[in-house]
Amino acid sequence: GENVEQHPSTLSVQEGDSAVIKCTYSDSASNYFPWYKQELGKRPQLIIDIRSNVGEKKDQRIAVTLNKTAKHFSLHITETQPEDSAVYFCAARTGGGNKLTFGTGTQLKVEL
Amino acid sequence: KAGVTQTPRYLIKTRGQQVTLSCSPISGHRSVSWYQQTPGQGLQFLFEYFSETQRNKGNFPGRFSGRQFSNSRSEMNVSTLELGDSALYLCASRTPGGTDTQYFGPGTRLTVL
Repeated sequence: GENVEQHPSTLSVQEGDSAVIKCTYSDSASNYFPWYKQELGKRPQLIIDIRSNVGEKKDQRIAVTLNKTAKHFSLHITETQPEDSAVYFCAARTGGGNKLTFGTGTQLKVEL
Repeated sequence: KAGVTQTPRYLIKTRGQQVTLSCSPISGHRSVSWYQQTPGQGLQFLFEYFSETQRNKGNFPGRFSGRQFSNSRSEMNVSTLELGDSALYLCASRTPGGTDTQYFGPGTRLTVL
């Protein structure tokens, strides 16, 4: 089955800096890659996603890039703010169903 | 529209008991998935339902089961609880019409003593 690896497990940046989180996946048939943000005690919330037929997608300060050949995708957050502090999860889906295989999460801390 | 809701939010059980968790998807969503979240194993897929049919199942023992009703509400059941079943159980519903987005509920925090 699909396996998703996520790095780093923790990331500390200064406010205003950029943050990059990387994920690799194993199943070349995976076709959908969402990123979720989870604040302490809250539900995961989708922040951006990308389909396998797209190489890059941007939404304000957040962007995701996908390299299908290398089977990796990355989350880029620019101009980080303290409210960006949370755990971020990448995920991959194979086929048309709902099953998401998640990475192990990255604890992002944005320091003032 | 109201978001995905889950009941109860917190639950304490003892080993050997069974538990039933409930999930109400966003109105109009017919697809519901369940995930288990633990510090050690992260987020793991349990199963998904669409139109009352289980479409996919994760690698969990048969003690974990679920079902979906005609109004798309879903329940999951865990029998013969073990200490390792302590986790946050999340359900997610998916927008209809071929879109990919899954929206998560707040979860049920299950503690097994």
